[in-house]
Amino acid sequence: GAGVSQSPRYKVAKRGQDVALRCDPISGHVSLFWYQQALGQGPEFLTYFQNEAQLDKSGLPSDRFFAERPEGSVSTLKIQRTQQEDSAVYLCASSWAGTGGSLDTQYFGPGTRLTVL
Amino acid sequence: SQQGEEDPQALSIQEGENATMNCSYKTSINNLQWYRQNSGRGLVHLILIRSNEREKHSGRLRVTLDTSKKSSSLLITASRAADTASYFCATGLTGANSKLTFGKGITLSVRP
Repeated sequence: GAGVSQSPRYKVAKRGQDVALRCDPISGHVSLFWYQQALGQGPEFLTYFQNEAQLDKSGLPSDRFFAERPEGSVSTLKIQRTQQEDSAVYLCASSWAGTGGSLDTQYFGPGTRLTVL
Repeated sequence: SQQGEEDPQALSIQEGENATMNCSYKTSINNLQWYRQNSGRGLVHLILIRSNEREKHSGRLRVTLDTSKKSSSLLITASRAADTASYFCATGLTGANSKLTFGKGITLSVRP
């Protein structure tokens, strides 16, 4: 079946612009995660949804970052007034886990590479 | 902050040789997962080992977990050029939600 998809794959923004990144999880997956991966580093957690509920947003670096998953399926990560330090690959992952347990495999999308000029 | 620390940071081997990569972590975990990432691509899940397991196999992959030492190793046997990638260990923490905490990764180069 189809995996996790993300769009756009590449995004170039001028500093100060707003951007919206989309994630389509695997159908039926309850949990959805956003991670940020800087060049040469491992992914870092941003936020987590269980269905439409955002249960953890502790990793969002500032109030310029906002994520939503209004119908419990597709999710959008929005970054307002982008800064150069926001340049990174943004990864989305989904899993079956519906209880908040940590035992389920997370399946990752290809990521969106954001470059802020 | 990143919980896992992989070792070595980079590894270069000849095709056919075995590759061993290590990961250490700091806090109690529910599980540890290894992922592979090819240049410019997303993460591919390789194997998950639970905190009550000591060893797990999947094809040419063998993972061990030592919770007393807070460490794990990933062994790739009979490496191939296609195994060239970055490898990350990621931990699911006890008591946390399902988020994963990744290390910085190991760059593996397999020379044909």
